[in-house]
Amino acid sequence: DIVMTQTPLSSPVTLGQPASISCRSSQSLVHSDGNTYLSWLQQRPGQPLRLLIYMISNRFSGVPDRFSGSGAGTDFTLKISRVEAEDVGVYYCMQATQWWTFGQGTKVEIK
Amino acid sequence: EVQLVESGGGLVQPGGSLRLSCAASGFTVSSNYMSWVRQAPGKGLEWVSVIYTGGSTYSADSVKGRFTISRDNSKNTLYLQMNSLRAEDTAVYYCARGSSPVGLDYWGQGTLVTVSS
Repeated sequence: DIVMTQTPLSSPVTLGQPASISCRSSQSLVHSDGNTYLSWLQQRPGQPLRLLIYMISNRFSGVPDRFSGSGAGTDFTLKISRVEAEDVGVYYCMQATQWWTFGQGTKVEIK
Repeated sequence: EVQLVESGGGLVQPGGSLRLSCAASGFTVSSNYMSWVRQAPGKGLEWVSVIYTGGSTYSADSVKGRFTISRDNSKNTLYLQMNSLRAEDTAVYYCARGSSPVGLDYWGQGTLVTVSS
């Protein structure tokens, strides 16, 4: 199984300031079709999981442009340019190159 | 609007069975691949099973031979039949829609399964 490791596990941030979450996979996420199936999900309290980013850097429908994804191979990053109160929650990276596995989750909270 | 609503969770004794349902609206389940993902209390997310548009199904090793994923196209509903349940199957179970190449793009609220005597 591909193991996904996120850092940090907790990220206290000031409103309006940036936040960054890293995700590392135990092996390359480049699929045989040439695509890299790395996504980011958001889990807000009491809400369903929400897809934010797919294939490393593509924002899903309705996702604000303050969310961005980057990376390649085994190292990926989710950035929130200016954290808003509604961004509080747990963020997961997810790979779908070889079945599906998830990072442990990073809790974003307001300082 | 895409919506997924899970039901069927509850308390069951070890060795028992349960069938989860995921009612879909706003799209056709047979036109997308569909998955179940679970989250044990205080733990991370774990993929459980997938059913593809052609009907092929696959499951994680942890549930293989015990859980069966299926769908009813006439009811636009996804199912997870869970047999021989163990304490370690205790979790919130989520259904999710899959779209290529986006991936698991819409998720339900989840239904809690507790396996305990």
